[in-house]
Amino acid sequence: GENVEQHPSTLSVQEGDSAVIKCTYSDSASNYFPWYKQELGKGPQLIIDIRSNVGEKKDQRIAVTLNKTAKHFSLHITETQPEDSAVYFCAATGSARQLTFGSGTQLTVLP
Amino acid sequence: DTGVSQDPRHKITKRGQNVTFRCDPISEHNRLYWYRQTLGQGPEFLTYFQNEAQLEKSRLLSDRFSAERPKGSFSTLEIQRTEQGDSAMYLCASSLGPYINSGNTIYFGEGSWLTVV
Repeated sequence: GENVEQHPSTLSVQEGDSAVIKCTYSDSASNYFPWYKQELGKGPQLIIDIRSNVGEKKDQRIAVTLNKTAKHFSLHITETQPEDSAVYFCAATGSARQLTFGSGTQLTVLP
Repeated sequence: DTGVSQDPRHKITKRGQNVTFRCDPISEHNRLYWYRQTLGQGPEFLTYFQNEAQLEKSRLLSDRFSAERPKGSFSTLEIQRTEQGDSAMYLCASSLGPYINSGNTIYFGEGSWLTVV
């Protein structure tokens, strides 16, 4: 089955700086890679996703890049704000049936 | 559209007791998932339904766990003879269609926290 590894586990940045979170996956058949943001006491919320037919996708301050050859994908958040502080999860699937998640990154944006 | 709704949000139970969680998916979503999340970890897949049919179960879903989705609407997850290792957040999610790698986003509920003492 799929195995997703995520790092770093914790990340602190100054407000206005950029944050990068990286994930690797094991199943070369995986072709869909969403990113979820989870705030304390809440369920995960989709913030951006990418499919294997593109290498990069951007939505305002958030971007995701995918390198299928190396089997890794990354989340980039620019101009970070305090409200970006949360736990971020990457996930992958190739089966279309369910997602396999990474272990999460606690992002703290320092004012 | 009120999103995925879960009840109760928190449950404390004694070891050996049975507990049941309910999930109401987004209306017209025919796929419903259950995940489990422990502190410091990502959600782990438990099972999913396509309408009323339970199509896949993870090896994490022991014999003490049972999930149902009568009439293809709401779903229940029951844990019998709870153990301390069952303490976790149980997340329900739904999607409109079966192919989540083809645009059918999975939407999560707020979760049901279980503490077994």
